[in-house]
Amino acid sequence: DIQMTQSPSTLSASVGDTVTITCRASQSISNRLAWYHQTPGKAPKLLIYKATSLQSGVPSKFSGSGSGTEFTLTISSLQPDDFATYYCQQYYRYSYTFGQGTKLEIK
Amino acid sequence: EVQLVESGGGLVQPGGSLRLSCAASGFTFSSYDMNWVRQAPGKGLEWVSYISTGGGATYYADSVKGRFTISRDNAKNSLYLQMNSLRVEDTALYHCARDLVSYDYVFDVWGRGTLVTVAS
Repeated sequence: DIQMTQSPSTLSASVGDTVTITCRASQSISNRLAWYHQTPGKAPKLLIYKATSLQSGVPSKFSGSGSGTEFTLTISSLQPDDFATYYCQQYYRYSYTFGQGTKLEIK
Repeated sequence: EVQLVESGGGLVQPGGSLRLSCAASGFTFSSYDMNWVRQAPGKGLEWVSYISTGGGATYYADSVKGRFTISRDNAKNSLYLQMNSLRVEDTALYHCARDLVSYDYVFDVWGRGTLVTVAS
C-alpha cells in the first residue's frame, strides 16, 4: 500500500496567518491527490483534488501544489472556521490511503 | 440540498453482524459511484468499499474483504454495507461518501456517519 505522511501533526496559528501543510507519498502518485478538512462532529469536506484543482464552492484562500511524492496545502488569511483537521488522500492506487491528519489549532 | 444520512450503527459483540444504510437525497443517486469510509475513534480515515453506479463492480479494503458486502438500491436511493464476522478493530464511525464525477475515489459529498462499536 502507498503510505501518506503529513507534517506537521499539529500546527498552531493565529487568525489572519498563512499556513502550509505538507503531505508525502511513499511512491509517486502523479497528481492523484486530494485534500479534505474536518471539524469535530462533522463530515469531512473536499477542498482540492488533482493536487491543485479547487473543489466547487471552496474559497480561493485554499491552494494546493505538488506532484509525484511531495504535496502542499496552503491556507491564507486564516479564519476561525479554518481551525480543523486536514487530511490528504491518494487516489492513484488501491487502497486509496489517507494521511494521518494535521490538526490546525488556534494559537 | 445534497445529503447523505447513515443509519444502522450500534453496539455488537465480536463475531456479530450489522447492516448499515445510507439514504441519499438532493441528487440523482443512480448516476454516482458510492463508497464507505470509516474513522476509528481518535484516528484517521480509511477507505472501506466502493460500488459502481449499477452495482456491477464492487471493491473492498483488504481489512474487510470476505466479511463486508456493499450493495445499493437505486430505486430507493440507498446504499448499504452488510458487515459480518465483526472484530473489535472494526469499531469506527462509518461514513458513506459519493465519488466526484469523473474521479473515482475522490469523495465530494459525505454523510456525518453512524457509529459501530464492537465489544463484548
